[in-house]
Amino acid sequence: AQSVTQPDIHITVSEGASLELRCNYSYGATPYLFWYVQSPGQGLQLLLKYFSGDTLVQGIKGFEAEFKRSQSSFNLRKPSVHWSDAAEYFCAVGGNRDDKIIFGKGTRLHILP
Amino acid sequence: GAVVSQHPSWVICKSGTSVKIECRSLDFQATTMFWYRQFPKQSLMLMATSNEGSKATYEQGVEKDKFLINHASLTLSTLTVTSAHPEDSSFYICSASTHGNTEAFFGQGTRLTVV
Repeated sequence: AQSVTQPDIHITVSEGASLELRCNYSYGATPYLFWYVQSPGQGLQLLLKYFSGDTLVQGIKGFEAEFKRSQSSFNLRKPSVHWSDAAEYFCAVGGNRDDKIIFGKGTRLHILP
Repeated sequence: GAVVSQHPSWVICKSGTSVKIECRSLDFQATTMFWYRQFPKQSLMLMATSNEGSKATYEQGVEKDKFLINHASLTLSTLTVTSAHPEDSSFYICSASTHGNTEAFFGQGTRLTVV
């Protein structure tokens, strides 16, 4: 069965510092991987996705993620965070057969001024 | 990008009544729609998958008689919470995708409060 693990429930970084949010997945076939961001009381916004090809994926708002098959990971990175990046981040995995997307428990990002 | 509209954004209802939430794909045909439930400060839990013209597939532990899902057209799916109780209070989010396109587009969510 497919699953997603985000080991960090909360992460706090200073504004301007670099960020890495961890994500590990379990999937029986080639996974389709996503990172979403959610502000309080809001829906989800897609940051980036990986389907195939280049394992380093560029997304919106300066985010990138790297797919590492050997580690079953898809970590999200940003070189310099902004106060507006404070939000909840969800990693998700899906597959082509039924398009069902399963979410990790999320990581809440706090930004220190 | 594709737009999914969810209505209403928030609703308050009395215990024992039923509430309907709509999910519309505005600029594409959604062959598949998904309904998620999110408790405060928790992740999204998939409730059910609905394909246009067929019965929804519910995840384990989700009461199909409690959460009625209808996907009568390629642009509209509805979730009806029947005989709502306070424990049904939650944030409900839908997403929609087109067959062959794994990316799902999310609605803005509906905050349901049952009093």
